[in-house]
Amino acid sequence: SQTIHQWPATLVQPVGSPLSLECTVEGTSNPNLYWYRQAAGRGLQLLFYSVGIGQISSEVPQNLSASRPQDRQFILSSKKLLLSDSGFYLCAWSVRDSLNEKLFFGSGTQLSVL
Amino acid sequence: AQSVAQPEDQVNVAEGNPLTVKCTYSVSGNPYLFWYVQYPNRGLQFLLKYITGDNLVKGSYGFEAEFNKSQTSFHLKKPSALVSDSALYFCAVRALYSGAGSYQLTFGKGTKLSVIP
Repeated sequence: SQTIHQWPATLVQPVGSPLSLECTVEGTSNPNLYWYRQAAGRGLQLLFYSVGIGQISSEVPQNLSASRPQDRQFILSSKKLLLSDSGFYLCAWSVRDSLNEKLFFGSGTQLSVL
Repeated sequence: AQSVAQPEDQVNVAEGNPLTVKCTYSVSGNPYLFWYVQYPNRGLQFLLKYITGDNLVKGSYGFEAEFNKSQTSFHLKKPSALVSDSALYFCAVRALYSGAGSYQLTFGKGTKLSVIP
């Protein structure tokens, strides 16, 4: 069966520090991968999605970047965190080329930038 | 551009009573519609989806949703609420053919459901 791992679960970082959140998927090949951010009262915002190794699409301009060095690995990064980067970050995957577009989410990372 | 509205930030319902969580959408063409549930400090879990066919869709944990094309709505329902249903519920829409953005789901802001014992 497929599983998705996301870590760390919680993270407290000072403003200006770097960030690296990692997400890996097991039990499937060639998944579509996504990073979402959930801010209180604002629902989910799609940050990045990837349809293959090295292929990253950004949905909103921001202080963050994403990389996909391996087929089932998706990394969210920042060189210098801002206060506004605080939020709950969710990684997700879906079956490639599927019209069903059912997303499977990781357990999330609560990021607090102080 | 596609959008989803969940007009209620919070819904309170007594245990055993029917519940409804509202969702309306805007999209070009035929929509794919989804409901997800989020328990505290957890990721989202898929509940149900509408792609085509019957307007009444049945999903996990006894939930169902009714697609109404004329009202562009996809309300989530359950005949008898349980305390364990208390969670944050998200409606989402994806256009059937959306070109370069075809992998994007647009989520509503979420509705917090509280089931009172």
